[in-house]
Amino acid sequence: GAVVSQHPSWVICKSGTSVKIECRSLDFQATTMFWYRQFPKQSLMLMATSNEGSKATYEQGVEKDKFLINHASLTLSTLTVTSAHPEDSSFYICSARDSGGFGYNEQFFGPGTRLTVL
Amino acid sequence: DAKTTQPPSMDCAEGRAANLPCNHSTISGNEYVYWYRQIHSQGPQYIIHGLKNNETNEMASLIITEDRKSSTLILPHATLRDTAVYYCIVRGLTSNTGKLIFGQGTTLQVKP
Repeated sequence: GAVVSQHPSWVICKSGTSVKIECRSLDFQATTMFWYRQFPKQSLMLMATSNEGSKATYEQGVEKDKFLINHASLTLSTLTVTSAHPEDSSFYICSARDSGGFGYNEQFFGPGTRLTVL
Repeated sequence: DAKTTQPPSMDCAEGRAANLPCNHSTISGNEYVYWYRQIHSQGPQYIIHGLKNNETNEMASLIITEDRKSSTLILPHATLRDTAVYYCIVRGLTSNTGKLIFGQGTTLQVKP
């Protein structure tokens, strides 16, 4: 149990286009999901907290108009990278916080999405 | 949330116990110690967490000192598949909506 999926697992796009990444909790409900970004040989950097039915909370320095987050249901959050540029190329990882099923208050991570912007 | 300090890298022989230390000298009374690991190009995996008592599960043991200023994650019989970056994170159960802030972690290399 406690599986989080991401789609797509990797994506290549042209500069200036938008890319949407999905994060799903498959067997539990998650009122809160988190989005991270990881550059090569670096640690995970928290980008934003996504709350079901409300606006996301962004970390300092993260452009909310560039990284659009929608948490429309208890099992799905999406991250859209708008007008992507090569510097947005990174490994994007989501996590979902279990609202009380498998492990109260624990976070479970997705497998990540590798974005390459040409 | 309290900050943690971990050695950047460690080696361990396959089959031996891997002991990964973590310092969290500014931990407060209601903060838990969490351990996650990240195998190359994958999402982090939860290992274990604890408050003040030692904890054990099927993956590892967590030893927390009496003053709670440091802890050790123990992988009792390391295998090559345990090669990963291990993150020690301190977090209050209800603070900051539960977000996890990752430090640089310890890169554990298990060698045959």
